[in-house]
Amino acid sequence: AQSVTQLDSQVPVFEEAPVELRCNYSSSVSVYLFWYVQYPNQGLQLLLKYLSGSTLVKGINGFEAEFNKSQTSFHLRKPSVHISDTAEYFCAVTTRAGNQFYFGTGTSLTVIP
Amino acid sequence: GAGVSQTPSNKVTEKGKYVELRCDPISGHTALYWYRQSLGQGPEFLIYFQGTGAADDSGLPNDRFFAVRPEGSVSTLKIQRTERGDSAVYLCASSQDTDNEQFFGPGTRLTVL
Repeated sequence: AQSVTQLDSQVPVFEEAPVELRCNYSSSVSVYLFWYVQYPNQGLQLLLKYLSGSTLVKGINGFEAEFNKSQTSFHLRKPSVHISDTAEYFCAVTTRAGNQFYFGTGTSLTVIP
Repeated sequence: GAGVSQTPSNKVTEKGKYVELRCDPISGHTALYWYRQSLGQGPEFLIYFQGTGAADDSGLPNDRFFAVRPEGSVSTLKIQRTERGDSAVYLCASSQDTDNEQFFGPGTRLTVL
């Protein structure tokens, strides 16, 4: 089975500062990795995904993530955050032959003016 | 084009009652997923449809939960004899195939009093 750990439940950061949201996964087979963002009272929106190829993945809104197979990590980064980035962020994993997504418990990012 | 829609957006019911939650996937998407998101948690997989059939229902918590997708498009999640512990946001997602992005609806917030 697969699992995802998001170590930080809450991350406060000042506007225009860099941020890193951590995600570690566990799987005995090859995986696909995703980051979703959830704004208040809205559905999950895909930020970026890793399927294969380059381990550095760029997504929407200036976010990027790096797949590190040896450390089983897929940390999300942004060099300069905006107030509008305040939201809940979820890391998810699925297997190449699988169907369901396994989600982490989420990280609440709060950008402070 | 239209995204995944879910109705109702909010449902309040009494313990022991029966409820139905509806999901309209993106047109042409063959795969449809149901997840449950409890407060402070990430979404948890319930069931996955490929076409009209339930390909994986291993996430359904017990036999009070049932889902159908009779024509391979709209799906209904049915919960019998609701319990207070069923209170959560129920999310629906659809995808064009099982290896790529799942598009999520806004969810139905179910409250069992």
